[in-house]
Amino acid sequence: EDQVTQSPEALRLQEGESSSLNCSYTVSGLRGLFWYRQDPGKGPEFLFTLYSAGEEKEKERLKATLTKKESFLHITAPKPEDSATYLCAVRAPGNTGKLIFGQGTTLQVKP
Amino acid sequence: NAGVTQTPKFQVLKTGQSMTLQCAQDMNHNSMYWYRQDPGMGLRLIYYSASEGTTDKGEVPNGYNVSRLNKREFSLRLESAAPSQTSVYFCASSEPASGANVLTFGAGSRLTVL
Repeated sequence: EDQVTQSPEALRLQEGESSSLNCSYTVSGLRGLFWYRQDPGKGPEFLFTLYSAGEEKEKERLKATLTKKESFLHITAPKPEDSATYLCAVRAPGNTGKLIFGQGTTLQVKP
Repeated sequence: NAGVTQTPKFQVLKTGQSMTLQCAQDMNHNSMYWYRQDPGMGLRLIYYSASEGTTDKGEVPNGYNVSRLNKREFSLRLESAAPSQTSVYFCASSEPASGANVLTFGAGSRLTVL
């Protein structure tokens, strides 16, 4: 069964304290792993797509990496404005475009 | 650049009442989706429409119906609301043929069923 599991569920960091969020996945034939950011009361916003093991993408303080079984979202020297829920998803097999989401990791960065 | 627009943003229903959530996108995407989000459960797919004129069940379709009115609009209907349908509902659209298939989400509709 296609599945996405994120850990930890919640993470509290001090401003400037770097850390990583984990996304483990099982899917028959990966056709894309997606990271989204979601602020309270809003819809998810797209961050990155990764397609193959070894691929990395960066945006400001965020860097996403991919292996054959998991992805990491590394946050370097976070700021309070990085506080949000981070969602990981994989594209379901077939041509429908459906995404299968993990439960999310809620990040709080304290000043 | 409106993207994906959902209405209403908030709704309170009594058990047994019916309602329709509306969704429209202006990005000329072929595919549209309805997800629900509950604490600790992540986003779960209710129904999707791969293209105009087609709809299919997702992971949690029971108690819902959908209509793909045209390429822009995709509505979600609750015929007889139940407290278990209290949730935040998100509509999204994408273009799978583009390869990137980035889903663009609306702002959400928060539904409470008493």
